[in-house]
Amino acid sequence: AQTVTQSQPEMSVQEAETVTLSCTYDTSENNYYLFWYKQPPSRQMILVIRQEAYKQQNATENRFSVNFQKAAKSFSLKISDSQLGDTAMYFCAFMKHWFTGDMRFGAGTRLTVKP
Amino acid sequence: NAGVMQNPRHLVRRRGQEARLRCSPMKGHSHVYWYRQLPEEGLKFMVYLQKENIIDESGMPKERFSAEFPKEGPSILRIQQVVRGDSAAYFCASSPLSVETGAGANVLTFGAGSRLTVL
Repeated sequence: AQTVTQSQPEMSVQEAETVTLSCTYDTSENNYYLFWYKQPPSRQMILVIRQEAYKQQNATENRFSVNFQKAAKSFSLKISDSQLGDTAMYFCAFMKHWFTGDMRFGAGTRLTVKP
Repeated sequence: NAGVMQNPRHLVRRRGQEARLRCSPMKGHSHVYWYRQLPEEGLKFMVYLQKENIIDESGMPKERFSAEFPKEGPSILRIQQVVRGDSAAYFCASSPLSVETGAGANVLTFGAGSRLTVL
């Protein structure tokens, strides 16, 4: 079974600084997808970034980038130049290549950006 | 292009009543997924539907819960005889194609969720 672990329940960072959120996962699959979702107080689930396991290059979306270590089964999210609007819950998620609807989510990390 | 629309946003029910949550997928999307989020937890998969078909309901509780996605109209998640433990946020997501092929890592688009409170 696939499991996703986020070991940091809460984190905080000063505005304009950089923060890294950790995520590890357990799977026997070779092909899969990993995601980071953001959930602000509005509760809307917003896709931040995604990574295909067969791609060695780390995904980047503006201020957001990942460090994907397939052998270590690690998928961390780095937020550069943190902004107040980045304050939210962040969820790491795993999707099998042959997806049946069951996307596995971690328990989340609550990030607070301080002015 | 409206996103995934869920209603109601908030629903309060007394124990033993029925709750119906509705989800209209994005235009052009024919695959719907329901997830549940308990307080301070991540989302957990419940059911995956296509029009008039349940594809995977492995995450649905065996009793009291049912889901449908009719040929016309929104998808409905129905909870009969609600109990306090059903209090949660229920999220719907949609995709344009089956993501089983993995092509392009089809992304699920989520709605804003429906928060159910059982008194």
